[in-house]
Amino acid sequence: KQEVTQIPAALSVPEGENLVLNCSFTDSAIYNLQWFRQDPGKGLTSLLLIQSSQREQTSGRLNASLDKSSGRSTLYIAASQPGDSATYLCAVSMDSNYQLIWGAGTKLIIKP
Amino acid sequence: NAGVTQTPKFQVLKTGQSMTLQCAQDMNHEYMSWYRQDPGMGLRLIHYSVGAGITDQGEVPNGYNVSRSTTEDFPLRLLSAAPSQTSVYFCASRKQGLSNQPQHFGDGTRLSIL
Repeated sequence: KQEVTQIPAALSVPEGENLVLNCSFTDSAIYNLQWFRQDPGKGLTSLLLIQSSQREQTSGRLNASLDKSSGRSTLYIAASQPGDSATYLCAVSMDSNYQLIWGAGTKLIIKP
Repeated sequence: NAGVTQTPKFQVLKTGQSMTLQCAQDMNHEYMSWYRQDPGMGLRLIHYSVGAGITDQGEVPNGYNVSRSTTEDFPLRLLSAAPSQTSVYFCASRKQGLSNQPQHFGDGTRLSIL
């Protein structure tokens, strides 16, 4: 059974730092992996989607990498800003039916 | 473009009451799903649908019913509310059949069962 883990559960860093959020999964035969952002009291916003054949995806200051063989993905945030404060979740799907299996998230606080 | 719309945003029920959580999307997405989110846990899939007239169970379907009479709407029914169903419920949709299409989420319904 696929399990998705995100460590740490919470992270607080000063503004301007580059940071990395981690996501690990137990079964490497994934179909794709997504990173989401969740703001308090809001729904989830998809940030990046990496297909199984890809190694990374970039959007602005965000870069997500995927290493299927080691069961890991990282979300790199460059030059962090207070507006980046949110909970970041990763989720994997195992096939084209696209049922997502979720990590519990990392709550990120960027201190001004 | 409204995206995925959920109503109500908040609801308090008494044990044993029934209610329907509404979800509508205007993106002509075939795939729709319902999740619940509990503190310290990842989202868990309740039910999903790959098109009008087709529904299937997810990881935690007990106590919930769904139907999909149109492409746009995917309501979730709580048959007899229990305190264990206190949670935040999210509806999501996506375009079916393409591996590079992300899911779109509503803002959630915060449900408390007393």
